[in-house]
Amino acid sequence: KQEVTQIPAALSVPEGENLVLNCSFTDSAIYNLQWFRQDPGKGLTSLLLIQSSQREQTSGRLNASLDKSSGRSTLYIAASQPGDSATYLCAVLNSGNTPLVFGKGTRLSVIA
Amino acid sequence: DAGVTQSPTHLIKTRGQQVTLRCSPKSGHDTVSWYQQALGQGPQFIFQYYEEEERQRGNFPDRFSGHQFPNYSSELNVNALLLGDSALYLCASSLNTIGHQYFGPGTRLTVT
Repeated sequence: KQEVTQIPAALSVPEGENLVLNCSFTDSAIYNLQWFRQDPGKGLTSLLLIQSSQREQTSGRLNASLDKSSGRSTLYIAASQPGDSATYLCAVLNSGNTPLVFGKGTRLSVIA
Repeated sequence: DAGVTQSPTHLIKTRGQQVTLRCSPKSGHDTVSWYQQALGQGPQFIFQYYEEEERQRGNFPDRFSGHQFPNYSSELNVNALLLGDSALYLCASSLNTIGHQYFGPGTRLTVT
């Protein structure tokens, strides 16, 4: 059974700092991995999707990497801004038509 | 192009009552998945509908049931509501069962 863990559970950083969020998963037979952003009480916004054959994806100030063999992914946020404050969720889709499995998220606060 | 829409936005029900939540998928998508997100947790998979049939189901009791219509929209029904059913219910649509999932804004259900 796939399990996804995100560390840390919460993070507070000053504006302008670069930061890394971590995601680990127990079953490396994944189809893809997604990073989502969730604002309080709102739905999920997909940030980056990495296919199992890829090593990383970039969008603006965000860079996500994937190391399938070690069961790890990182989300790097450059030059953080107060508007980046949100919960960031990692989700894994296993091969074999199984549902998305989510971590509990990392709650990020960027202080101006 | 409208994204995934859900209704209602918020709902308050009493223990023992029944509730129906609705989801319209993104244009061109044929698959709908439902998730339950308790406060401070990651979304948990409830079930997925494709071609008007339930294709996968998570670890939820039979009180949770669903339906998909010919236009691909979907309903989630919960009977005999419990306090523990209070959560944000998220709908996601995709093109086929392993496609990239796009999430709606969610329905906040409060059971008193």
